[in-house]
Amino acid sequence: NAGVTQTPKFQVLKTGQSMTLQCAQDMNHEYMSWYRQDPGMGLRLIHYSVGAGITDQGEVPNGYNVSRSTTEDFPLRLLSAAPSQTSVYFCASSYRGQSTDTQYFGPGTRLTVL
Amino acid sequence: GENVEQHPSTLSVQEGDSAVIKCTYSDSASNYFPWYKQELGKGPQLIIDIRSNVGEKKDQRIAVTLNKTAKHFSLHITETQPEDSAVYFCAAAITGGFKTIFGAGTRLFVKA
Repeated sequence: NAGVTQTPKFQVLKTGQSMTLQCAQDMNHEYMSWYRQDPGMGLRLIHYSVGAGITDQGEVPNGYNVSRSTTEDFPLRLLSAAPSQTSVYFCASSYRGQSTDTQYFGPGTRLTVL
Repeated sequence: GENVEQHPSTLSVQEGDSAVIKCTYSDSASNYFPWYKQELGKGPQLIIDIRSNVGEKKDQRIAVTLNKTAKHFSLHITETQPEDSAVYFCAAAITGGFKTIFGAGTRLFVKA
């Protein structure tokens, strides 16, 4: 199993540009989520999905869109990038999404918005 | 909503010494407390967890303690080794919920 994979590893955008961060898992997990990691602020939940076709907002959803058309994939879209979105983004998955299920994290995408 | 505070933000110890990281949480309904270790350039990985019906849990050189009354929980690493150097996150969640709230992280340096 590859586990949770993320692409790209690094990305530089200009303010106003759009892009999609890709996330895929091959563990047949129902739950997938996106976090952003900023210095001194830990991991903050952006959006999550409890299954194909179902998504919901986390703590910091503004400026981000998600969709879940398949069990395996959970892309994160930035429609108009802003410098405040400079961060490291992690995708995670777990079996059912219950808080006591172990979350498996991808290697992260480091995004810089100029 | 839940808020998790974590201290210290940076911790430096000599190899062989013990390291302790402390967290407090605000929501008394939280009853599940995982700890994650993040090595350089990688995503966080679960290393140990504790539920609110347990006061202490051990796994080899790591242990977690929980004080529900004070809303405190701690990670203890004994006989530290250089490979323990990483960022450690505490977190809090409610069983059955879909959201986990993380602390800000502690960067642990173990000096050989």
